[in-house]
Amino acid sequence: DAGITQSPRHKVTETGTPVTLRCHQTENHRYMYWYRQDPGHGLRLIHYSYGVKDTDKGEVSDGYSVSRSKTEDFLLTLESATSSQTSVYFCAISESARDSNQPQHFGDGTRLSIL
Amino acid sequence: AQSVSQHNHHVILSEAASLELGCNYSYGGTVNLFWYVQYPGQHLQLLLKYFSGDPLVKGIKGFEAEFIKSKFSFNLRKPSVQWSDTAEYFCAVNANTGGFKTIFGAGTRLFVKA
Repeated sequence: DAGITQSPRHKVTETGTPVTLRCHQTENHRYMYWYRQDPGHGLRLIHYSYGVKDTDKGEVSDGYSVSRSKTEDFLLTLESATSSQTSVYFCAISESARDSNQPQHFGDGTRLSIL
Repeated sequence: AQSVSQHNHHVILSEAASLELGCNYSYGGTVNLFWYVQYPGQHLQLLLKYFSGDPLVKGIKGFEAEFIKSKFSFNLRKPSVQWSDTAEYFCAVNANTGGFKTIFGAGTRLFVKA
């Protein structure tokens, strides 16, 4: 398995609090992604990164921000969590997106509950 | 915009039955296609992928998929399922335009009865 570590694995927090999820990779892959997984929706892309300090929005980016100060770390922040952001969050990495036949490798996920 | 449609949200089969999961996509250009599997409590893993060549692609654990360009389809098949195939299966499409975004289908939950 690819070396991807997500932390925390589980988190329960209250509405209005800030939350940061971390994705750490040891593969030196250039591309990193944050998805959320919800029943009936599959995986939806929140944000992605194509290099250090290079990020862009996905299809469900509202309410989320990201940062990538090092190749190995990609942080997802919910500035003020809402109940609609209760979900399972997956980080993924890939070697290349220009050669878009490269598959993505996924972390184990973070289960986030916002009460 | 690209979209991916998986026709069956839930499938229940008995062991040794044959499996076919449908996947259709909307993008008209050249595409790269993937099937991922997510076993209970685990992360997504790649089952197989297609990007060129033989439209019949073989993956791990006896799975295969056939790309039919004229039907915009990439259906997943397995001749004889096992209880251990119980999982959720996701079809994904990435258009070969140099873009970074892979679009996932909503997933199909497969339950195999022993």
